[in-house]
Amino acid sequence: EDKVVQSPLSLVVHEGDTVTLNCSYEVTNFRSLLWYKQEKKAPTFLFMLTSSGIEKKSGRLSSILDKKELSSILNITATQTGDSAIYLCAVDNAGNMLTFGGGTRLMVKP
Amino acid sequence: KAGVTQTPRYLIKTRGQQVTLSCSPISGHRSVSWYQQTPGQGLQFLFEYFSETQRNKGNFPGRFSGRQFSNSRSEMNVSTLELGDSALYLCASSLKFGAGIYGYTFGSGTRLTVV
Repeated sequence: EDKVVQSPLSLVVHEGDTVTLNCSYEVTNFRSLLWYKQEKKAPTFLFMLTSSGIEKKSGRLSSILDKKELSSILNITATQTGDSAIYLCAVDNAGNMLTFGGGTRLMVKP
Repeated sequence: KAGVTQTPRYLIKTRGQQVTLSCSPISGHRSVSWYQQTPGQGLQFLFEYFSETQRNKGNFPGRFSGRQFSNSRSEMNVSTLELGDSALYLCASSLKFGAGIYGYTFGSGTRLTVV
C-alpha cells in the first residue's frame, strides 16, 4: 500500500524564520511528488517534482526531491504570517491518483 | 479563467439519505478526481474520471459512486449516508489524464455533515 508521511505534524515559528518541512514516501510506480498549500478549503498547487536533485523555486519557497532517499523537503525562508497554512505532500503514481501525507500545520506568529 | 467549481458548498443530511455533489472543472480540463478529507484520515482518493470513464478508484465502499458527463462536469453520489461520511469532499481537475506538469487544480470543496 502506498504511503506518504510528513513531519513535523505542526510547527510554530516567528516571522522571518526559515522552516523546513519533510515528506517521505513509499509508493509503487512513482511518477511525481507534489506540494500543496491549504489555507481554508482548496489546496493550492505549489510544486511538482519528478527528477531527483533538481530544486524548484518560487519566491521564498523551494523544494527538492531525493529519489534515492524517497523523500522531499519544502523550504520557506523569511516566513510571513500569510504562510500560515497546512502544507500537503502528495505522490502521483502511475495509476493517476494522489496519495497524500497527513500534512504539516504551520503557524507563523508576528 | 474560472477555477474548479463545486456545488453546493455546504450540505446537511440525515443518516440513510443519499447525496449528490457536483464539480465543474476548469474549461478545457478533461480529467476530474474526487477526494475525501477528514481530520482523522486526511485526504483520500475516491475516483478519477477521464472522457466520461472511471479510470481509477480508491478504497471506498460501493455506496460512493460518480460519473462524468460529455462536458467534463462530474457528479459524485453517496447513498445510505453514515455519520462517518461527514467530510470535506474535494474535486480536482487536470488537463489530461493524470497530474500532467501543472498538477491538479482543486475546488473549494463541499462540506457534508451527516446527522
